[in-house]
Amino acid sequence: GAGVSQSPSNKVTEKGKDVELRCDPISGHTALYWYRQSLGQGLEFLIYFQGNSAPDKSGLPSDRFSAERTGGSVSTLTIQRTQQEDSAVYLCASSLALVESDTQYFGPGTRLTVL
Amino acid sequence: AQTVTQSQPEMSVQEAETVTLSCTYDTSESDYYLFWYKQPPSRQMILVIRQEAYKQQNATENRFSVNFQKAAKSFSLKISDSQLGDAAMYFCAYRNRDDKIIFGKGTRLHILP
Repeated sequence: GAGVSQSPSNKVTEKGKDVELRCDPISGHTALYWYRQSLGQGLEFLIYFQGNSAPDKSGLPSDRFSAERTGGSVSTLTIQRTQQEDSAVYLCASSLALVESDTQYFGPGTRLTVL
Repeated sequence: AQTVTQSQPEMSVQEAETVTLSCTYDTSESDYYLFWYKQPPSRQMILVIRQEAYKQQNATENRFSVNFQKAAKSFSLKISDSQLGDAAMYFCAYRNRDDKIIFGKGTRLHILP
């Protein structure tokens, strides 16, 4: 596609439920990133993928968060047993390769609201 | 640890005027990249401009330019001839070989007609 896409654009869930957020990167981009943006805050780095591999998962806030990427393309971020503090916009970005000079292109985000 | 600080939570500028957004960062690295991203109400993060630390020349993209002071670890964004469409949150960001981008908390820019 022309840009990074994310689905759903908005998700409202009840506390304790599991949610799955999806990211479709730009075709051909090998690197993929997940960020969280809480209300009025900057972006918090969560995890990145090079291909299907995530070398560093230390940015994930808790063990309720997990992410995977298959086929070097689509990625899903799963939050289990959601809590109210998980409410935020979750942004995905992709870049051509995992080098610091590469520009990251962002998707429109998924706004997650946990009631 | 690297940090990025944007000391101005909000700013306003009259349409057609010039405004400068401040950003400072802390790092012990010598090679890194700096970015300014714009986030309009649509939430879509858009790259405005980027600067390679090894380049002394300040990056420029049309009405947007930066003042990169490596020794002072300062990376301000100047927007000339401000337009209504420039209204957005602006995030300063830093990236080095650790592959993570560290963002500041953002500056909300209002354009006054």
